[in-house]
Amino acid sequence: DAKTTQPPSMDCAEGRAANLPCNHSTISGNEYVYWYRQIHSQGPQYIIHGLKNNETNEMASLIITEDRKSSTLILPHATLRDTAVYYCIVREKGAQKLVFGQGTRLTINP
Amino acid sequence: NAGVTQTPKFQVLKTGQSMTLQCAQDMNHNSMYWYRQDPGMGLRLIYYSASEGTTDKGEVPNGYNVSRLNKREFSLRLESAAPSQTSVYFCASSAASGGISYEQYFGPGTRLTVT
Repeated sequence: DAKTTQPPSMDCAEGRAANLPCNHSTISGNEYVYWYRQIHSQGPQYIIHGLKNNETNEMASLIITEDRKSSTLILPHATLRDTAVYYCIVREKGAQKLVFGQGTRLTINP
Repeated sequence: NAGVTQTPKFQVLKTGQSMTLQCAQDMNHNSMYWYRQDPGMGLRLIYYSASEGTTDKGEVPNGYNVSRLNKREFSLRLESAAPSQTSVYFCASSAASGGISYEQYFGPGTRLTVT
């Protein structure tokens, strides 16, 4: 699986959009980008995934660059409950394991 | 619909003791997984079961055994606990069809301390 690089921490004001970047310059053609988050002491929570097109669901939007070497997770109106560690993971859709890096610790400030 | 449940929530063991962590899912998922998370680290895969009746090693299987009891349940056993196994253990499940597995759903975790 391709490796990912994320900033270790970010801050965002409540009510603003939180934009979390991820670099995955060695991604291969059959690998997807997945995002999970882990709120303190809880199990990771699936957020969204994509291959090459931008994706949106009720939780977030995922923007993948045309060359697929990087992506951005967007939480459109961040709330205090969005404070968590966010993990960007690249894997083949059929691969069994998820490889969790260090993630980005996002803090939403009132 | 409870999702993925794990028991116990907390456990303290002495070195050399054995125990089994239980996991169950009610989403009719084929695949199930066991991860561990050490302080300040990401999750690492211990074992997984792609379907009922099969199990495979992950990144860190040493010191653990697993049983896929049926489609719903996947247990993790520590035969002789060591302090290095102090960690938070997460169980997960995912749908799978045609050799493709999808997003994983995680349980709340079991916090294990080995003294």
